[in-house]
Formats: sequence, structure tokens, C-alpha cells
Amino acid sequence: AQTVTQSQPEMSVQEAETVTLSCTYDTSESDYYLFWYKQPPSRQMILVIRQEAYKQQNATENRFSVNFQKAAKSFSLKISDSQLGDAAMYFCAYRRAYSGNTPLVFGKGTRLSVIA
Amino acid sequence: GAVVSQHPSRVICKSGTSVKIECRSLDFQATTMFWYRQFPKQSLMLMATSNEGSKATYEQGVEKDKFLINHASLTLSTLTVTSAHPEDSSFYICSASKQGASDSPLHFGNGTRLTVT
Repeated sequence: AQTVTQSQPEMSVQEAETVTLSCTYDTSESDYYLFWYKQPPSRQMILVIRQEAYKQQNATENRFSVNFQKAAKSFSLKISDSQLGDAAMYFCAYRRAYSGNTPLVFGKGTRLSVIA
Repeated sequence: GAVVSQHPSRVICKSGTSVKIECRSLDFQATTMFWYRQFPKQSLMLMATSNEGSKATYEQGVEKDKFLINHASLTLSTLTVTSAHPEDSSFYICSASKQGASDSPLHFGNGTRLTVT
């Protein structure tokens, strides 16, 4: 079974600074997808960024970027120019590639605080 | 973008009663929907996979007779918590993706906060 590990239960960052959230995963599959979701206090799940395992290029989305190391099974999220609105719970998630539909497997999450 | 609507957002019920939670995909067809449960300050745990027109697949440790799932159409899945107990109090959230699109992110409903008194 696939597992996702987020080793940082809590992180904090000064406003306008950069922070990196760690994520590792374990799988025997060669084709899969990785995601970072943000969950603010409203508990709505918001997609931050996604990465296809077959792509070597790291995904970027405005201030958010990932460092995807397939061999190391590592998928970290970098948030640049942190803003107060970035404060939330961040979940790393894995999804097996399949012709049908497969569920997301989540890590335990990292709570990010942004200090003004 | 794809939208998933979940209702109700909050419900309080008495112990022993049943509660139904609806999950609708508003602008796409979803042959499969997923139901997750989230305890306070914890991650989302998959409860079951809901398949349109067939029986749901439950994760190990999830009681299928307590958490009844019905997926009667391509846009609606329901989760019924039967004979609810206080320990069933939790945040329940559904998700779906477009048919056959495992490369797409899952779209989530806004969740239902269930409190059993």
C-alpha cells in the first residue's frame, strides 16, 4: 500500500519569507500523481499544485513550487513571499494512475503559521 | 472549474438517529466518488469508494452497515450514518473527479460537521 509521510507537524514563516514543507512517499508504482492541498480553518480542501510522476520538470504555480525527486520519493512544497493568507494546514497527497478513478492518500499534514 | 456540492454543512443529531449527507457533482459526471472522515487536527482518512450503480467499497475497519453509501446517479452520492453515536461525531468530506480522469485532482465538497449528542 502507498503511504505518504509529512515529518513536520508544524512550521512557521515570517511574512514575505520562503518556507519549504517536506513530503516523502512510498510506492511500488512507476506512474502516479502527487498533489499539495491547503486546508484553511474553513476546512475547505483547496488544490495548491500537482505533479505528474512521469514529468521531470518541477511544477510551479505562482508563489508555489515543488521539488520532485522521484528516485528519492520526495515531493517538497516551497512557498515564496509568504502571505498571511497562506496560513493553513497543508496536506501532501498521492494518487495512483489508473484508467478508472483512484482515491487520494494523504499525509498527516503540516500546520503552517505565517508571522506578520 | 469542477464543483462538488455537499449538504448539509453542519448537522446536530441525537444518539440513535440517522443522518444523510449528500454529495453532488454540479458540472461533471462522476462514476466514482470518495468519502473521507477527518477527526480534529488529523488527516483525511478514506472511508469508502462510491461507485455509480454498484455497491460501495469500504476501507478496512469501516462498518458498512453503519455508514450506508448510495450512488444512484452519475452526479449524486449519499452517505447515511445509521444509529449515530457520539463517537461518530466528526467531519465528513466527499470528493470526486471527472469520469476516467485519474490524472485530475479530486474536487472536494465543503464537508459536513456531524455532532451526535
